[in-house]
Amino acid sequence: DTEVTQTPKHLVMGMTNKKSLKCEQHMGHRAMYWYKQKAKKPPELMFVYSYEKLSINESVPSRFSPECPNSSLLNLHLHALQPEDSALYLCASSQDEGTPTYEQYFGPGTRLTVT
Amino acid sequence: QKEVEQNSGPLSVPEGAIASLNCTYSDRVSQSFFWYRQYSGKSPELIMSIYSNGDKEDGRFTAQLNKASQYVSLLIRDSQPSDSATYLCAVNLNILTGGGNKLTFGTGTQLKVEL
Repeated sequence: DTEVTQTPKHLVMGMTNKKSLKCEQHMGHRAMYWYKQKAKKPPELMFVYSYEKLSINESVPSRFSPECPNSSLLNLHLHALQPEDSALYLCASSQDEGTPTYEQYFGPGTRLTVT
Repeated sequence: QKEVEQNSGPLSVPEGAIASLNCTYSDRVSQSFFWYRQYSGKSPELIMSIYSNGDKEDGRFTAQLNKASQYVSLLIRDSQPSDSATYLCAVNLNILTGGGNKLTFGTGTQLKVEL
């Protein structure tokens, strides 16, 4: 089962709201990722978790706060976002050892609009 | 020089033809390479991964890797209209065993398969 799920599919929020994006995988992967993708651009890495610990933060503004409650779940907490943060937010997961390629599998994404 | 380069296209091929998509990368220590297909408004879908020089075939898809030339390609045989999408080349520049893995994406090539 190569499936990563994300909720919600769509989210509209005001600049003063607080919301959370959720991601879940049941592939036994130990690395999970958040990406941001703007229209006609490639995905841009935001955060990497490995074995439930934050291992990479790509200098993301503090209005984005990731959380990994367990090896299957990944959250992204949003607060005081700006309109330019509107994008497709993608979660991905991969093995973290035992393979030469470390394929990353993406979820369907959350389309976020900040008004 | 960009780390991962692709021709943005659009690349137009007739139905039934072979589509050839190319990607070059700048970092010689890159370990593994991926092709993702992304339909408009959807998330990237992994279609091929490769880490050894040579060819790797999976159904109608063949990935080719030449590390000496820092070049990876994707061939799609018997192209179908359903193959029309953006194809993203991704390179794993840092393999951090136990720390997750950082993919760097090219800007993508738009493929159009015409009837």
